[in-house]
Amino acid sequence: ETGVTQSPTHLIKTRGQQVTLRCSSQSGHNTVSWYQQALGQGPQFIFQYYREEENGRGNFPPRFSGLQFPNYSSELNVNALELDDSALYLCASSPNAVYNSPLHFGNGTRLTVT
Amino acid sequence: DAKTTQPNSMESNEEEPVHLPCNHSTISGTDYIHWYRQLPSQGPEYVIHGLTSNVNNRMASLAIAEDRKSSTLILHRATLRDAAVYYCILRDRNNDMRFGAGTRLTVKP
Repeated sequence: ETGVTQSPTHLIKTRGQQVTLRCSSQSGHNTVSWYQQALGQGPQFIFQYYREEENGRGNFPPRFSGLQFPNYSSELNVNALELDDSALYLCASSPNAVYNSPLHFGNGTRLTVT
Repeated sequence: DAKTTQPNSMESNEEEPVHLPCNHSTISGTDYIHWYRQLPSQGPEYVIHGLTSNVNNRMASLAIAEDRKSSTLILHRATLRDAAVYYCILRDRNNDMRFGAGTRLTVKP
């Protein structure tokens, strides 16, 4: 069984640019969540997608948006990048959207904004 | 919003049990208690979760206080591979998992 994979592993962008991060969920999982982890801190919930619809959102501005595709893979898009957006972005999948379902995380994309 | 409080760091000797505490005094009746751990350069890894009763799995045990205002993750025999940051999280119906700073566990040989 293939786990959660994220691409790219590292990325450098300039302030004001836009970025797209990608995530392939674990086989059989229809729910994907995205998290932002700043250095030395715990992950912060951005949003969750279930069957291609947003199914919960944390305290992030609208310039953070996402998509989930019919094969349940997902993208995180961030517009108008700011220096504070530099972080590790984690994707997690689960077999359903039930809120006690364990999440399976990928190893993340390290985004640096200069 | 329900929050958790954990010690910043703990140390253990290899092959000894480890008890990692977590306080969550504002937990609501429908919040699940989840534990994850994060090894260096990796994403978090699910460890265990529970609602009211104590839980056991191959990785650990979770002891939940009767009033649910605290819980303890128990690693029965710590190994060097258990060195990680351990997060205690309350998961609510909005699917918002609020990670704190976690407990950094150091395991000494």
